Amino acid sequence: AQSVTQLDSQVPVFEEAPVELRCNYSSSVSVYLFWYVQYPNQGLQLLLKYLSGSTLVKGINGFEAEFNKSQTSFHLRKPSVHISDTAEYFCAVRSGGSNYKLTFGKGTLLTVNP
Amino acid sequence: NAGVTQTPKFQVLKTGQSMTLQCAQDMNHEYMSWYRQDPGMGLRLIHYSVGAGITDQGEVPNGYNVSRSTTEDFPLRLLSAAPSQTSVYFCASSTTPGPYGYTFGSGTRLTVV
Repeated sequence: AQSVTQLDSQVPVFEEAPVELRCNYSSSVSVYLFWYVQYPNQGLQLLLKYLSGSTLVKGINGFEAEFNKSQTSFHLRKPSVHISDTAEYFCAVRSGGSNYKLTFGKGTLLTVNP
Repeated sequence: NAGVTQTPKFQVLKTGQSMTLQCAQDMNHEYMSWYRQDPGMGLRLIHYSVGAGITDQGEVPNGYNVSRSTTEDFPLRLLSAAPSQTSVYFCASSTTPGPYGYTFGSGTRLTVV
């Protein structure tokens, strides 16, 4: 079975500060990892994904994430956040092979304050 | 290319009423699924389908029915609405298994009074 734990339910930061949103996963097989963003009253959109290869993955809006297999983590980072980054962020895992299912974490609400 | 379209966007139901949430995709995706989103709970899988005529239960299927008669459509039926079904519902679709994420609809906000 696959599962995802997002370690922080809320992360408040000031504008232009760096941020890290933490995600740990568990799976018995190889995995694909994703981060989604949900702006207020909207659906989810894909920020970035890890499939294989380089452990540092770059996404949209200046976000990046690092896959760490030994620590089973996929933390999301941004060196300098903007007010417009205020949103809920979801980490998700999908096992390799023929598994269609995407399992989501409970989300981290990032609030960027001026 | 519309992606995943959900209707309606908002709905208020009385306890015991039935309704169908519509979901349609125009990307020829095999996989379609329904999630509900509740505060602090993340997204929980209700039902999913891996192709026309094939459906299966997710982690919270009670009170919901689905069918998949075409590749494009995957409606979610509430047979007898309960206040516990007040939630935001998302439909998502994906192509073949593998390193693909989902494409999400914009959601249906349902309130059961």
